[in-house]
Amino acid sequence: EIVMTQSPATLSVSPGERATLSCRASQSVSSNLAWYQQKPGQAPRLLIYGASTRATGIPARFSGSGSGTEFTLTISSLQSEDFAVYYCQQYETFGQGTKVEIK
Amino acid sequence: EVQLVESGGGLVQPGGSLRLSCAASGFTFSDHYMDWVRQAPGKGLEWVGRTRNKANSYTTEYAASVKGRFTISRDDSKNSLYLQMNSLKTEDTAVYYCARGIADGDGDNWFDPWGQGTLVTVSS
Repeated sequence: EIVMTQSPATLSVSPGERATLSCRASQSVSSNLAWYQQKPGQAPRLLIYGASTRATGIPARFSGSGSGTEFTLTISSLQSEDFAVYYCQQYETFGQGTKVEIK
Repeated sequence: EVQLVESGGGLVQPGGSLRLSCAASGFTFSDHYMDWVRQAPGKGLEWVGRTRNKANSYTTEYAASVKGRFTISRDDSKNSLYLQMNSLKTEDTAVYYCARGIADGDGDNWFDPWGQGTLVTVSS
């Protein structure tokens, strides 16, 4: 079973700054990785699939990169609505999440 | 608009049973894999299981934590997905989401969209 490890657990960022979230797979998953955003009391929303393809309607400030075992989600300039928990996912396995909070 | 709406959650005693439903609209339900994902209070996301489409013989897969206790089924004529949960344990307490599973044929899959979730509480 592949294990997905996200870091950091919590990221404190000021509005307008860049946020960089990491996801590591315990073995190579090629480019088979998705990212989701979840706000309190809401369902997760797909942001990125195929490691780097933005889902429909996702703003360009969200970008994904990486392949193999190391992946990154970058939010170029944090907006107030971006403060949330972010999960990576490979097949049936989710990372434990990174909470992006206001600094 | 693609939409998924879960129902059927509630309070159940340990050892009891519950059936969740997920009503789909806005897309050709029969073409798609469908998944259940759960989230315990204050915790992360845990995949529960999947039903594939008719073209893939409606095969199912389950997480080890629910295998043998939970059963996923679907009724394409009603655009509906179901999760029959038996022998419930306190650790099954969670919000249960249904999600459309998308597979690209090259080993990648993702979930989009998700329903709003339904809360299942297992407690005496």
